[in-house]
This record gives sequence, structure tokens and C-alpha cells, in this order.
Amino acid sequence: GDSVTQMEGPVTLSEEAFLTINCTYTATGYPSLFWYVQYPGEGLQLLLKATKADDKGSNKGFEATYRKETTSFHLEKGSVQVSDSAVYFCALSVPGRDDKIIFGKGTRLHILP
Amino acid sequence: ETGVTQSPTHLIKTRGQQVTLRCSSQSGHNTVSWYQQALGQGPQFIFQYYREEENGRGNFPPRFSGLQFPNYSSELNVNALELDDSALYLCASGFTGREQYFGPGTRLTVT
Repeated sequence: GDSVTQMEGPVTLSEEAFLTINCTYTATGYPSLFWYVQYPGEGLQLLLKATKADDKGSNKGFEATYRKETTSFHLEKGSVQVSDSAVYFCALSVPGRDDKIIFGKGTRLHILP
Repeated sequence: ETGVTQSPTHLIKTRGQQVTLRCSSQSGHNTVSWYQQALGQGPQFIFQYYREEENGRGNFPPRFSGLQFPNYSSELNVNALELDDSALYLCASGFTGREQYFGPGTRLTVT
């Protein structure tokens, strides 16, 4: 079945470091890919998305490129801030009967000042 | 701020009891989905409602049921609570085939 695998955390970085969180997926059809962020005590916020191969999603300095050949959607940011500390979820949705979103297990990110 | 609200914020129930969680969608949204997020895990799809009918269901037993009302509110009902039902329950609303907007969640603890 459809699934998402992302790197396990926690990931701890110093402020201004470069961030990569790896994500790979398995899906039938042509999924849309997402990164969601969950700040402590809050619900999920859509961070960025890409709907077809080679699309690049970007928001708040974060980027991810839909790579069909490697079935990957890695999240990157050039210079992280303390305020980026959160849990990040890679996810997919396959167009069809419902809008089911399949999530990875999440990666907790700690940024040290 | 997504415009999706959930109540209550926290809830404690005893094993075997029944619980109702509520969600208020953005005005105009025609779908509402519910997800269960166990501690340290990603959210798992429970089901979606579209125009007040169940439109898709994940791998959850029938004791998980829902309702969607014309006034953009919805409910998740769980009967015969089990300890493993302890989780954060998220609702998400939107338009079919488009972005889903998540609420802040209800944290349910079953003792």
C-alpha cells in the first residue's frame, strides 16, 4: 500500500546550520506530496506541497523537490532558526475517492541558539 | 490560523465509556476528515465525510463513527473506549480534491 518513510529524529542543529530531512514514498498513481509542521501543543500546519514530478514547493525558507525517479521529497533549509524547532511530517495524498493523507512518523527538530 | 476549531481541548475517559469529539469547519467547506495521532506517531486517517455521508474509511473498527451537519460542524464518536484509543484527534476540513485545513486537536486520555 501507499506509505511514507522519513528519517527518524530527533535532529539537533545549531542556529544557522543547514537542514535536510529525508523523505521517500511508495504510492500507486500520481501522488501529491506535502510537508506539514507541528509546533508544541498545536495542530498541523501545511508547510509546502508539490503536485507533480520536478515541482519545487517552498515556504518560509524551506524547500522540497518532487523527485519521481528516486521517489523522494527531501526537506531543506539553508539556515535554521530556533523558532523552527518543531515536528515535521512528510505526507502524500493520491487523488481518488477521498482526500486521505498518509503521513510519515514525523521528525522532531531541535535548534540550539 | 486555519479557521477550524475543535472541542474540547482535553478529555479524560474511562475504558468502556463512550466519547464525542466536535469540530467546526470553515464556512463553505464540503468535506471533513478525522485523524488519530498516537504519541510519537504520524496521524492516521479514520474517515472522511462529504455532504454528510461517509466518503472513505481507514483501518478503524466500526466503534469509530462520525456525523457531519449542514452547519459545517461534525462529530467523531468512539464507543467502548480502549486504552489504545488515547491519542490526539485531529479534524481537517476543505473542498474535495483540494487542501485540507487542520484544527488544533482534542487530546483524549483513556484510563
